Amino acid sequence: DTGVSQDPRHKITKRGQNVTFRCDPISEHNRLYWYRQTLGQGPEFLTYFQNEAQLEKSRLLSDRFSAERPKGSFSTLEIQRTEQGDSAMYLCASSLKSGYTFGSGTRLTVV
Amino acid sequence: QQPVQSPQAVILREGEDAVINCSSSKALYSVHWYRQKHGEAPVFLMILLKGGEQKGHEKISASFNEKKQQSSLYLTASQLSYSGTYFCGTEDKGAQKLVFGQGTRLTINP
Repeated sequence: DTGVSQDPRHKITKRGQNVTFRCDPISEHNRLYWYRQTLGQGPEFLTYFQNEAQLEKSRLLSDRFSAERPKGSFSTLEIQRTEQGDSAMYLCASSLKSGYTFGSGTRLTVV
Repeated sequence: QQPVQSPQAVILREGEDAVINCSSSKALYSVHWYRQKHGEAPVFLMILLKGGEQKGHEKISASFNEKKQQSSLYLTASQLSYSGTYFCGTEDKGAQKLVFGQGTRLTINP
């Protein structure tokens, strides 16, 4: 058990570019979550998978955001046409029955 | 709807006690508590599932009052390692995701 891995750790992109982040959850965890966290705030829910099914997506999430979890294993989060307001830490978490295990996150900076 | 945590920040001397509160306007199924140190991921501390339940983790314990839709985290005889930001995450009945509070920053000084 190596915990939840996220890649890359840091991403700097120009406004308007597309970015994709990857999350590898703990292998026996069937639930996978994406959260976004800005400085001084709590994690904000983006979307949630149970196995390969995306069960919920935040209403705050624009159509520029999409997430997948093929075969119920790793997940990707893509942001198209990035905006400066997308700059944040993107956290992935997985769980089986109780507490969440978070990854170290991907820090996105849009310049 | 985001739960409300209080206080927003606490400064203690090592060995002192602290209480962090988390209130929701919705009926809750569970409350989670996490600690996040600067630059690191949140770390799970404990989950409370039943009204009135209390749980403990070292010298950190918590209670959950289902009727009042509130949870409190108790840190006794605080240690330097307890410093960080504490988040409660609430799960509504029927939901399968956590909504996190804005956090309480705890600073422990020697």
